[in-house]
Amino acid sequence: NAGVMQNPRHLVRRRGQEARLRCSPMKGHSHVYWYRQLPEEGLKFMVYLQKENIIDESGMPKERFSAEFPKEGPSILRIQQVVRGDSAAYFCASSRQDNQPQHFGDGTRLSIL
Amino acid sequence: AQSVTQLDSQVPVFEEAPVELRCNYSSSVSVYLFWYVQYPNQGLQLLLKYLSGSTLVKGINGFEAEFNKSQTSFHLRKPSVHISDTAEYFCAVKAFGNEKLTFGTGTRLTIIP
Repeated sequence: NAGVMQNPRHLVRRRGQEARLRCSPMKGHSHVYWYRQLPEEGLKFMVYLQKENIIDESGMPKERFSAEFPKEGPSILRIQQVVRGDSAAYFCASSRQDNQPQHFGDGTRLSIL
Repeated sequence: AQSVTQLDSQVPVFEEAPVELRCNYSSSVSVYLFWYVQYPNQGLQLLLKYLSGSTLVKGINGFEAEFNKSQTSFHLRKPSVHISDTAEYFCAVKAFGNEKLTFGTGTRLTIIP
């Protein structure tokens, strides 16, 4: 999955801390998507962003979660005051434009102690 | 809204035997269809996609899938599997005009030597 870069690959946080997950899309891609994968489940859509705009955040929890994709730099998924239930693998995908296949990164595995 | 059902959570198959992984979907609008493969601790890799045209779609690694509109199915097949095909396989749909992918819960394919 070279191309979409996510870091860190593994992140450990204690309850109540903040988690910041980063995603750099493939070169030439301006659309970024975040998905969450809970153990033994498929991926669930969270949010779709283009540069400086949130296009669809219908899958984002109403509290503690936010995402951005600034003009410069990677997309950030931010989780405030983490709880045990936030433990999951978080995947970022990117595409060149609408109706193009989404290419996935290797994910960030978030563990909450 | 869309939904995807992968009835088989685990499929064991002997090496060099054929395999079919089942996928059924539900949608009130037209959709695009995808199969992704996930190797351990990695992101998702696109195997194949159906956008339009021929209902038989060929993908990477010798996989193919057939879109059946009347049965709302998109089953994945391979005539002869290899040890390296051991992975989790996800079926996904995307509605026309919407960039959100909806995934099934996955099928774990295990190849028996």
